[in-house]
Amino acid sequence: DGGITQSPKYLFRKEGQNVTLSCEQNLNHDAMYWYRQDPGQGLRLIYYSQIVNDFQKGDIAEGYSVSREKKESFPLTVTSAQKNPTAFYLCASSTDGQGETQYFGPGTRLLVL
Amino acid sequence: AQTVTQSQPEMSVQEAETVTLSCTYDTSESDYYLFWYKQPPSRQMILVIRQEAYKQQNATENRFSVNFQKAAKSFSLKISDSQLGDAAMYFCAYKRRYSTLTFGKGTMLLVSP
Repeated sequence: DGGITQSPKYLFRKEGQNVTLSCEQNLNHDAMYWYRQDPGQGLRLIYYSQIVNDFQKGDIAEGYSVSREKKESFPLTVTSAQKNPTAFYLCASSTDGQGETQYFGPGTRLLVL
Repeated sequence: AQTVTQSQPEMSVQEAETVTLSCTYDTSESDYYLFWYKQPPSRQMILVIRQEAYKQQNATENRFSVNFQKAAKSFSLKISDSQLGDAAMYFCAYKRRYSTLTFGKGTMLLVSP
């Protein structure tokens, strides 16, 4: 089946620790995105990538980093510089970055211990 | 910056009835796209319907339809014959070509038997 997978479903972070969230897609989509969702808020864009080996900062990139070494993979690292990382993280992909619809993965819930 | 406003934090409907969720947006662009996404308790974002701004005809998908008023910058979602499975958070989103999605804060839809 084609789709977007995210792992893990739940992730716990200790103080000062970097953690990486996985996002994989087998839809052959060029563009991939990372969003953060907080209670009572819509989704906010962290980073996006329209092509392999290239990515752009979104609205709330501070404290996060990404890589795009393969078309199907777009991992997100939450660094220790992100002081309030507790949130729900959603990955999405689209055919391109123009007007195409974005399709979402099931999400990762990140909690700080 | 583009903004998307959903003025109804919560709406209620009875099964088999019709409900309309409101969305307004602010833009100076003429070429853009509008979306409604559904987020059920599983928290996965699911595309409900999409509208291209250059199309005058309102988009429909089975029981879901939109009322797109370009001059008024309004994009409401009508759900007909509501079902218990329609209960979810609904997000309105705006995207102009070559740019990223901007989400509203969402409307929680409650469906009662």
